[in-house]
This record gives sequence, structure tokens and C-alpha cells, in this order.
Amino acid sequence: EVQLVESGGGLVQPGGSLRLSCAASGFTFSSYWMTWVRQAPGKGLEWVGRISPDGSEKYSVDSVKGRFTIFRDNAKHSVYLQMNSLRAEDTAVFYCARDLGGGECSGGSCSSWNIFDVWGQGTLVTVSS
Amino acid sequence: SSELTQDPAVSVALGQTVRITCQGDSLRNSYASWYQQKPGQAPLLVIYGKNNRPSGIPDRFSGSSSGNTASLTITGAQAEDEADYYCNSRDTSGNHYVFGTGTKVTVL
Repeated sequence: EVQLVESGGGLVQPGGSLRLSCAASGFTFSSYWMTWVRQAPGKGLEWVGRISPDGSEKYSVDSVKGRFTIFRDNAKHSVYLQMNSLRAEDTAVFYCARDLGGGECSGGSCSSWNIFDVWGQGTLVTVSS
Repeated sequence: SSELTQDPAVSVALGQTVRITCQGDSLRNSYASWYQQKPGQAPLLVIYGKNNRPSGIPDRFSGSSSGNTASLTITGAQAEDEADYYCNSRDTSGNHYVFGTGTKVTVL
């Protein structure tokens, strides 16, 4: 069964650090980009960042740059989100997701698509004193 | 712009058709993908690309796009389709992703 399981969430004080883990199973982890998405309580989804299959490429949303780092260990089939200098506004459920891209052509033009086809159950991070 | 705009909420009578739209500059060059999220659950991919459904997604879900607007249509809405729906695509830089603001669908 293809599965992602997050862990590591919890209560942390403002300015503190936390590391989230996402363990993958049921697929060739080292072949896929992986993405982190978060959702503040009662709010919409926010893409946080992504990492390439070999870990050499990383991209993140501006609001977390310099504070959050994504890395992976393909031998352990896991991706991580290291979160430093946490703020109250970082309070959210954090999801990891498998990240796939592709493209389609129609009428002589081509466009790309990206999907998050497998999601974990999420882990709650609460930043509060 | 890296924003994707959706109507906050729509309602549909049971068995009728509802269309949810997503607007943004990035959609001129990238297809949207659509996610259904029910309370307390992780999002679920329902439509991607020109009009592709993952395995297990009912064929009452369909997608389309034109210019800077992507649409998700539910034809013959069922009670279990009541959920929040989000679009997603690459942003204009191509290396980042962005989610739409989300649409809450209520089935009456």
C-alpha cells in the first residue's frame, strides 16, 4: 500500500524549533519529488515547499525562507521539515505529499500539470507560549 | 501574479450541476489540479491536467480550462460531494506551487 505517515508535531514556544518527519512506503521513494503543505486552523491550504528526488533542488514559499528547511534521506524513505524561529502564525496541520508532474498537448499547444497524488494524514504544530 | 482566486462558497441542489472556478495568471501556462477536502481529512486529488480523474474518482467530476480560468464541474452532485475544493498549479516562476483560496460546496 502506498502510504505517507507524518510525525513530530506538537506544542512549541514562539522562537522555538521543531522537526517534522514523513515516512514513505509502498513506492520507490527515491524517484519522486516530495512536497509539504500546511493548513492553519479554519484556513485554506498553503504550499510550503518541495524537494527533488536526490535532494539537490529545494523550493519554498517566501514566508518560510530562511526559517524552514526541507531535506530527505532516501535510505530511510523519509522527508523532513526542519522548522526554526517558529511564529504563532505557523500554527497549522502540516501534510507531506508525493509530488508528480506531467504535461499534455492539445490543439498544437502544450501545458504542464503537477499533482499531489498521495497525502499523509497530517501532523499538528501549535506555536504558543 | 502567483495567486489563484476561487469563489468562497457555492451551493447546489442534490442531483444538480455545480461549477467551481479558479482564476490566475499561472493558469495560462499550467493546468490546474483540483483537491477535495472533507473536515478532518487530508485533501484528495479529484481532477488534474486537461480533464483527468485518478482511479476511484466518480465520473461526475470533470475539469476544463480556458485562458486564465480553470473549472471543476460536478454533474449530478451527491451528498458526499459536500466539501472544500482547492485548485493548485505552478506559479508563474514555474518552481513553486500555489493553492487557490478554496470553495466550500454545500449540497442542499
